[in-house]
Formats: sequence, structure tokens, C-alpha cells
Amino acid sequence: DTAVSQTPKYLVTQMGNDKSIKCEQNLGHDTMYWYKQDSKKFLKIMFSYNNKELIINETVPNRFSPKSPDKAHLNLHINSLELGDSAVYFCASSQGAGGPSYEQYFGPGTRLTVT
Amino acid sequence: RKEVEQDPGPFNVPEGATVAFNCTYSNSASQSFFWYRQDCRKEPKLLMSVYSSGNEDGRFTAQLNRASQYISLLIRDSKLSDSATYLCVVNLRGGGNKLTFGTGTQLKVEL
Repeated sequence: DTAVSQTPKYLVTQMGNDKSIKCEQNLGHDTMYWYKQDSKKFLKIMFSYNNKELIINETVPNRFSPKSPDKAHLNLHINSLELGDSAVYFCASSQGAGGPSYEQYFGPGTRLTVT
Repeated sequence: RKEVEQDPGPFNVPEGATVAFNCTYSNSASQSFFWYRQDCRKEPKLLMSVYSSGNEDGRFTAQLNRASQYISLLIRDSKLSDSATYLCVVNLRGGGNKLTFGTGTQLKVEL
């Protein structure tokens, strides 16, 4: 059973297009995240939702818009894609977001290539 | 200055060797500390949490020095399967479980 799943696994698209990446977790967790790992392998948080409410919103261009229809899903929509958006995007989830730090479980990643 | 700094490596070691990785963090308000492991083209996975008293999990030992803002990971009796990138991770108190990752240290264990 896949705990955190993402679709698609690979995404190749042209500059200027709009695309979405979907994430689902079946762990019953309350909190979900989006991370970006760039070509230098640096992993940085973008957004976090706790029970469908946005709680972390890092300095990310507003072309990126997360949406959480329910606490098991967190999707990422990207408008007007740019070359610099090429990266691996990881979704993660954790039991909660407060108190002691909860382990985060990562999805397999979506490798986005913008040409 | 990066929030979490690591030597990127690579560390090339023979099987059976002992290898140590170090990490420093800049924010003294950091509350929780971890080592994650990331295999090539895979997602990061939690290896172990790091406590002030030090903690051990089999061949792996993690240490935290809050005064120096320094975290270490020691791997004894390296196996080929230990080859991966090791990510030092910190978490601020009240930060909504926001993890800040180092750039990782690459380990290659060779025959």
C-alpha cells in the first residue's frame, strides 16, 4: 500500500503552460506539505496545510497555488511555467503540525521538466 | 549563511569503515533535529531523530551539541547499502513542523 502517492511521476511541458500535480495520503494524517528539490538537490518547503488550512506559505511565486479539497489530498497548480520551475516536487504528510515534531512521510516525487 | 550547513562530500569509503558526518545550524531556536536518508532519484526517508543525550540505532549514532549548534552522524561497519545522501534537518519550535534541510552529504561505500 502506498502511503503518500503523487501523480504524475514525470511531467514534461513547455514554458507558459499551466499544469497540476496531485498528492494523496492514506495515513490518516492531518498535515500535508509541498517541497521543491532543485538541480543542486536542495530541498525546500513551499507550502503546508493542516486539516485543509494553509499554515506555511514560504516565499513562492504566486504562480504556484496549492489546493486541499480534503485532508487526504493536497494538489499543486502551477501557472505560466518557467524554465526555473524545473525540479523534483515532493509531497509529504505528517500526523500533525504542532507540539513535538512529527515524522514527515514523503511521496515518490514528481520530476517536472520545463522546455 | 545557510540555515543548515553540511559538507557535500562525496565521502568514498571501503566497506566496513566508520564514517562521520557533521552539520551546523544557524538558528538557536531550533528545537528538533533529524537525519534523513535520500537514495538516488528517491524520496527522503527519516533515518533517526537526534537528541541532546545522543542516541544510537544499530550501526548509527547521532549526537547533538546545542551550545555549538552542531549535529553529527556516525556510521559504523559501513555497508554497500548505506550508499546514499544523508540530509541534516532541523525544525523550529512553533514553526508548523517546518523542516529545514541541509544540502546533504553524499556517501559512497565501495568494495
